[in-house]
Amino acid sequence: NAGVMQNPRHLVRRRGQEARLRCSPMKGHSHVYWYRQLPEEGLKFMVYLQKENIIDESGMPKERFSAEFPKEGPSILRIQQVVRGDSAAYFCASSPPSGDETQYFGPGTRLLVL
Amino acid sequence: RKEVEQDPGPFNVPEGATVAFNCTYSNSASQSFFWYRQDCRKEPKLLMSVYSSGNEDGRFTAQLNRASQYISLLIRDSKLSDSATYLCVVRKGGGGNKLTFGTGTQLKVEL
Repeated sequence: NAGVMQNPRHLVRRRGQEARLRCSPMKGHSHVYWYRQLPEEGLKFMVYLQKENIIDESGMPKERFSAEFPKEGPSILRIQQVVRGDSAAYFCASSPPSGDETQYFGPGTRLLVL
Repeated sequence: RKEVEQDPGPFNVPEGATVAFNCTYSNSASQSFFWYRQDCRKEPKLLMSVYSSGNEDGRFTAQLNRASQYISLLIRDSKLSDSATYLCVVRKGGGGNKLTFGTGTQLKVEL
């Protein structure tokens, strides 16, 4: 059973470009979470999605950031017009639909904005 | 005040030592508690959940004190492979699933 998959693992963008981060949850998992870890800081919650629904986006910056989890395909975290402060590790986690709510993390995407 | 507070360390201990980490949380509505481990530049991995009655998994023992809003992790007979950052994590109940992480305590086990 493959774990949570994220791609790309490393992404370099210039200021003003767009970054698209992808997350495929574990098989059978329908809940996806995105977290951001800035250098030398702890992980911070960004958004919680279920298929085709955003459940909690209280941690998402108000501008430039969006997330989706379509019926088919991976969850996407999109950052428009990136700035240097967006440089961070972005981790995706998934959990099953009910019962055990343990969140399992993917390897992360490390975004570097030049 | 941070929602979850941990001593950042580092804790440098010799192999075989016993080491304890503490964590406090500010939100009394928190209902689930965990210790995660994060190796350098890797993803967090669940070490163990923490229950009010205390729980043990091999060399690791976790304790929760709800009244004091305090969580602890004890590692006995520490191994070189235990070197990592240990993250204290809480989740508020009531259907909210987001995890709130402490900044982590760094452990270095040395020969």
